[in-house]
Amino acid sequence: DSGVTQTPKHLITATGQRVTLRCSPRSGDLSVYWYQQSLDQGLQFLIQYYNGEERAKGNILERFSAQQFPDLHSELNLSSLELGDSALYFCASSGDSYGYTFGSGTRLTVV
Amino acid sequence: AQSVTQPDIHITVSEGASLELRCNYSYGATPYLFWYVQSPGQGLQLLLKYFSGDTLVQGIKGFEAEFKRSQSSFNLRKPSVHWSDAAEYFCAVETNAGKSTFGDGTTLTVKP
Repeated sequence: DSGVTQTPKHLITATGQRVTLRCSPRSGDLSVYWYQQSLDQGLQFLIQYYNGEERAKGNILERFSAQQFPDLHSELNLSSLELGDSALYFCASSGDSYGYTFGSGTRLTVV
Repeated sequence: AQSVTQPDIHITVSEGASLELRCNYSYGATPYLFWYVQSPGQGLQLLLKYFSGDTLVQGIKGFEAEFKRSQSSFNLRKPSVHWSDAAEYFCAVETNAGKSTFGDGTTLTVKP
């Protein structure tokens, strides 16, 4: 157990739907990062939050949004889902020292 | 902007043989460098990291990596590979703002 908790582990949904992925960072970590991993695009950085504030944005689609709550957990919202959004979505957290701790991911399948 | 290149998409080694996975980075300042390992269906796990000081760093599971500034490289090594080392390995560079850029990964297959 890495200390980073992601739920759900698996999600199957239809095109056009909206889903929410949840991440609880490791205790004490203020930064949360979201990554998308697919076979054709590898590991893509989506967005970073630090203590509730958006810190950096990567290749995140406009249909996707995220937030970090006061208790530091984070949610990634994916809407108007397309088949191409099927991927593994990872959350990672970091604290005072460098290096990330990753969760085990949410596997999203859009059918 | 920083970038990371892992030249080898796939490497196969025999169990007990030595291993070297290559990583080249591009970053204007002093790099913070990392190697992560991902087993199938799992998240990435930090193997080792380099910030400064001794250019040879030791990590978990018997791995080590050497930072060579002149070659902009941070290659991962293991003297004797075990079947359980079969996984995908990612090199990453992190800025002082905490944003990491990952390479495309190298898949390691271990032959019995």
